Amino acid sequence: QVQLKESGPGLVQPSETLSLTCTVSGFSLTSYSVSWVRQPSGKGPEWMGRMWYDGDTAYNSALKSRLSISRDTSKNQVFLKMNSLQTDDTGTYYCTREDPHTMGSWGQGVMVTVSS
Amino acid sequence: DIQMTQSPSSMSVSLGDTVTITCRASQDVGIYVNWFQQKPGKSPRRMIYRATNLADGVPSRFSGSRSGSDYSLTISSLESEDVADYHCLQYDEYPYTFGAGTKLELK
Repeated sequence: QVQLKESGPGLVQPSETLSLTCTVSGFSLTSYSVSWVRQPSGKGPEWMGRMWYDGDTAYNSALKSRLSISRDTSKNQVFLKMNSLQTDDTGTYYCTREDPHTMGSWGQGVMVTVSS
Repeated sequence: DIQMTQSPSSMSVSLGDTVTITCRASQDVGIYVNWFQQKPGKSPRRMIYRATNLADGVPSRFSGSRSGSDYSLTISSLESEDVADYHCLQYDEYPYTFGAGTKLELK
């Protein structure tokens, strides 16, 4: 059974760095890519970036200067780090499995609030 | 970036209605459009992939179509469980981009 679960702090101070973990089960990170998607409350989702199954990465150009995605295949985990957080980075952050037709499985999401 | 202009932003619907939601792509994205359903507090669920293909477990009252740069999601004989937000996604080119969403509300 394919599962993804996001974890991380619910509250981040402005200008600080967000660190999130996506822990997966039921599939291998060396066979499937994983993307991060975020969604401000009441708005449409935004694709942030992707960890390819071969270890390569792709980023949304709007976030690229602040964003880093990495992984630990031995722990079945994909990591997101984004620096210089501002209030408009508040929202729910999801990881998704990239099957051939894109975003077929999603984690439950983690709510992140940027506030002092 | 490719813009996916989704309309309408909201719709007041009745059970049994046929509902159509549309996304217009700002440039050619071919067949690489998915549709997602999202209920309050839940993660998105893929309903349609590659513009016209029904995802696993999705009822046959859902369908997707394409006419040029316009992509549509149609729900026939709307049921109460279909009341949700719907988003389109283009995945032809990075960055992947979503439509702003359509909220279905019961009259």
